[in-house]
Amino acid sequence: NAGVTQTPKFQVLKTGQSMTLQCAQDMNHEYMSWYRQDPGMGLRLIHYSVGAGITDQGEVPNGYNVSRSTTEDFPLRLLSAAPSQTSVYFCASSSRRRFGYEQYFGPGTRLTVT
Amino acid sequence: AQKITQTQPGMFVQEKEAVTLDCTYDTSDQSYGLFWYKQPSSGEMIFLIYQGSYDEQNATEGRYSLNFQKARKSANLVISASQLGDSAMYFCAMRELSNSGYALNFGKGTSLLVTP
Repeated sequence: NAGVTQTPKFQVLKTGQSMTLQCAQDMNHEYMSWYRQDPGMGLRLIHYSVGAGITDQGEVPNGYNVSRSTTEDFPLRLLSAAPSQTSVYFCASSSRRRFGYEQYFGPGTRLTVT
Repeated sequence: AQKITQTQPGMFVQEKEAVTLDCTYDTSDQSYGLFWYKQPSSGEMIFLIYQGSYDEQNATEGRYSLNFQKARKSANLVISASQLGDSAMYFCAMRELSNSGYALNFGKGTSLLVTP
């Protein structure tokens, strides 16, 4: 199993550009989430999904879109990049079968918006 | 309101000593879970230990144990016999049953430095 994969690892965008961060998991997990990590802030939830076709907003959703057309994939779209979106982005997945099941994290995408 | 509070931005410990990283939480749920993750300088998030709100025993995983005091709403991580490789950021996180999607609320983290 590859676990949770994310691409790209690094990205530099200009203000106003759009892009999609890719996330995929091969563990057949129902739940997937996107977090951003900023210095001194811990990880904050952007969007999450409880299954294919179902998504919802987290703590900091503004400026981001998500969709979940398959169980495996959960892409995060930046509609019009802003310097405030410079951050490290983590995708995570977990199983609904056990509440105590750990959340598996991808390796992260480091995004810089100039 | 902050759901997870980690009051120690940075900690030092000498190799082979034990260290306690503090975590307090705030929830009105009866069912919740508490997690600790380690983030080394390479950036990945590594799961360490889990404690369920109904678990009567404190969780242990090798050199890691979780000191769970439900009435005080605290879930401190204890690392015994520290090693140089334990130097990293440590995050406490909580999952609430009422929170659909099993997403986690994270604290701001504690930076641990293990010295020789």
